[in-house]
Order: sequence, then structure tokens, then C-alpha cells
Amino acid sequence: GAGVSQSPRYKVAKRGQDVALRCDPISGHVSLFWYQQALGQGPEFLTYFQNEAQLDKSGLPSDRFFAERPEGSVSTLKIQRTQQEDSAVYLCASSPRTGGYGYTFGSGTRLTVV
Amino acid sequence: KQEVTQIPAALSVPEGENLVLNCSFTDSAIYNLQWFRQDPGKGLTSLLLIQSSQREQTSGRLNASLDKSSGRSTLYIAASQPGDSATYLCAVSPIQGAQKLVFGQGTRLTINP
Repeated sequence: GAGVSQSPRYKVAKRGQDVALRCDPISGHVSLFWYQQALGQGPEFLTYFQNEAQLDKSGLPSDRFFAERPEGSVSTLKIQRTQQEDSAVYLCASSPRTGGYGYTFGSGTRLTVV
Repeated sequence: KQEVTQIPAALSVPEGENLVLNCSFTDSAIYNLQWFRQDPGKGLTSLLLIQSSQREQTSGRLNASLDKSSGRSTLYIAASQPGDSATYLCAVSPIQGAQKLVFGQGTRLTINP
């Protein structure tokens, strides 16, 4: 597609529920990133994939967060046993490069945990 | 740990004014610095990218400067328009772990007609 597509756009989860957020990057983009953006804050890095390899997961806040990109294209961010502090916008970005530029961001998934 | 700070958090100015947004970072070991724009409910759009060896970049009415040694960048917007209203985010790419971006908290800009 022409851009990075994220689904769903909005997700309301009850506390303790598991959720899965999907990212369709631009076709052929090598790098894929997930960021978490709390209300009124800048995005914070969660994890980075180069093709199917997860090269950096240092930003994942707990072992309840898990990301995968099994075929080097679509990626899924899974959050188990959601808590209220997980409420945020989750942004996905992809890049044709492996350096720190050339990003295209998706519109994000707004997760609200009630 | 790299920290990025943006001042002011919010700014409201009348249409036509020139304005400056500020960004500071604590660690000068950066690969590049980028300015992004974020509209409500939308993703981020890259405006300008300055490599660590550069001092400034220009695109239309936008000019970004970088003083790496002092850990500062500014985004200058000339002849502001209501369509410039958005949140502006500054982000650095650390040399160690260049793939990730470290963002400031953003400046919410409102241009009043």
C-alpha cells in the first residue's frame, strides 16, 4: 500500500484482557518499529525489527508485551493481561533503510483499558 | 540515558508571525536530529532531518538548526498560517542504537486567524 496501515484504529479492552495490534508496513521496507505514545507525551521506543529479526526490544515495558514479524512484513504487537497504564496510542513505523531516518509512521492504534 | 526536552509545551500566536520552537538533548553523541509534525489522530510526518555533521536544513517556510556541542536545536517557522497548527516533535537518533528515535514531549502550536 501507499502508507503504513495499523488496525484496529481504536481498541477498548477490559483490564486483564489480551489484545493484538497489527501493523502493515510499506511493502519492501526492511525496518519496522513500534512506539508507545501516552497522552500529551512524545512517542517512546518499544521495539525494532530488521526484516524478521527482532534486533532491539529494550523498550518493551514488561514481559506482558510481545512483538513479532514472522515473515518480515506484517507485525503484531501483543499485550497480555492489559492494565490501565497500558492505555496509550501505539504507533508503528517502517523504513526502507537500516539507519535512523526514512521513517513512515502509521496513524496508530488508540488502546483504552477500562 | 538520552533525554530530549522541548520548550514551550504549548504556543499560541496570531497568523503571520514568525516563531521559534526549541529542543534540547542531554547527550551530544547523536547520528541525526529530526523534526516531526503530528496532527490530532494522525501519525507523524517528517519535516526536516539534520545529520550530525550539518548545522541547518531548510524546507519552504521551515528552517531547523543544530548545535550539537550545546545540545540544542531550533525550528523556525516563517509567516505562520492556521494550517501550521499541530504538535511539533523533536527526535534524536543516538549513535549507539541509531535505529531508535528518542522524542521530546512536543510543542502544541496553535495559529490564530
